[in-house]
Amino acid sequence: AQSVTQPDIHITVSEGASLELRCNYSYGATPYLFWYVQSPGQGLQLLLKYFSGDTLVQGIKGFEAEFKRSQSSFNLRKPSVHWSDAAEYFCAVGQANFGNEKLTFGTGTRLTIIP
Amino acid sequence: DAGVIQSPRHEVTEMGQEVTLRCKPISGHNSLFWYRQTMMRGLELLIYFNNNVPIDDSGMPEDRFSAKMPNASFSTLKIQPSEPRDSAVYFCASSYGVGDGTGAEAFFGQGTRLTVV
Repeated sequence: AQSVTQPDIHITVSEGASLELRCNYSYGATPYLFWYVQSPGQGLQLLLKYFSGDTLVQGIKGFEAEFKRSQSSFNLRKPSVHWSDAAEYFCAVGQANFGNEKLTFGTGTRLTIIP
Repeated sequence: DAGVIQSPRHEVTEMGQEVTLRCKPISGHNSLFWYRQTMMRGLELLIYFNNNVPIDDSGMPEDRFSAKMPNASFSTLKIQPSEPRDSAVYFCASSYGVGDGTGAEAFFGQGTRLTVV
């Protein structure tokens, strides 16, 4: 069965500093990978996705992620964080099974930004 | 499109009462998902439908929970009777898929915050 691990429960970063959130997945077939962001009191919003092709994908809000098959990782990065990036971030892997598709989410990483 | 619409946004009810949460998916989407989010358990998939048919309800915690999708534009999640431990944020999401995995991208509603006292 597929699974997603986000090893960092909570990360604190200074405004303007770089950010990397870790994600490791376990999936037998070609993975379809996603990063979502959840601001307080809001639903989840898609940041970016990887289906195939270039392993470095660009998303909204200046985020990018790199797919590394050899490490089973899909880490999220941003060169310079803004206070508005404080939120919870979820990595997910998409599964196709007999024509039905669903996401399996990691447990999330809460990001705190300090001035 | 207005996105996935959930109602109500907030619900406070007394233990033992019936609670019904509603969801209108994005028009044209063929899959609908109900999730529950709590501090203790994170984001849990409760049930999902494909073309209005329940596919996997293994995440439904117990018989007090039931979900229906009578047509492509409406779904309900019902809890009867409700208990304090059901307090959580319930999200509905929808997607359009063709069965190859690329359609797993889900669009989420704003959620319903349920408090059972």
